[in-house]
Amino acid sequence: DGGITQSPKYLFRKEGQNVTLSCEQNLNHDAMYWYRQDPGQGLRLIYYSQIVNDFQKGDIAEGYSVSREKKESFPLTVTSAQKNPTAFYLCASSEDRLDQPQHFGDGTRLSIL
Amino acid sequence: AQSVTQLGSHVSVSEGALVLLRCNYSSSVPPYLFWYVQYPNQGLQLLLKYTSAATLVKGINGFEAEFKKSETSFHLTKPSAHMSDAAEYFCAVSGLPRGGTASKLTFGTGTRLQVTL
Repeated sequence: DGGITQSPKYLFRKEGQNVTLSCEQNLNHDAMYWYRQDPGQGLRLIYYSQIVNDFQKGDIAEGYSVSREKKESFPLTVTSAQKNPTAFYLCASSEDRLDQPQHFGDGTRLSIL
Repeated sequence: AQSVTQLGSHVSVSEGALVLLRCNYSSSVPPYLFWYVQYPNQGLQLLLKYTSAATLVKGINGFEAEFKKSETSFHLTKPSAHMSDAAEYFCAVSGLPRGGTASKLTFGTGTRLQVTL
């Protein structure tokens, strides 16, 4: 079955450490997205990418970085510059058309040790 | 720019009662609207979408939503709640980010639905 796979499901970060969240899709979608979810705040867009080797900042990109070397993969790195990284991170993909929905992975929960 | 307002962060209904979750949107262009459901520690699952084909949209699990342009609303309903409907529900509007070309979803802050016996 086609879908989006996020790993790991749970991740712990030490102070000063960078961590990378994986997102892979086999839906052949052009666009991919990373969201951060905090209680009571809905989903906020971190980064998005429409095509390989290109990506754009979303609303809360500071302290995060991404790459898009393959169509199927869009990893997110939470850097040490992100001072409040504890959250639920969701990856999504779509056909990059306004009338098409985004499809979501099952998320990664990041916590600070 | 698009925005979404979901009235009521928590809604509680009895099993078998009507479910009504409210969503109002703001959009400078004809909107595309979506409802998603999220169960604990999971991603979002699409319930239904409005893309201008019909104002009453039917989705999965017995949910439906009606697009009312005059009220800028897209409320989600289900005639009879089931215990398995307990989850968080998000309304979203599709648009283009400022200066960008990729489609982008703007989400409401969510409504947590509780179903009691």
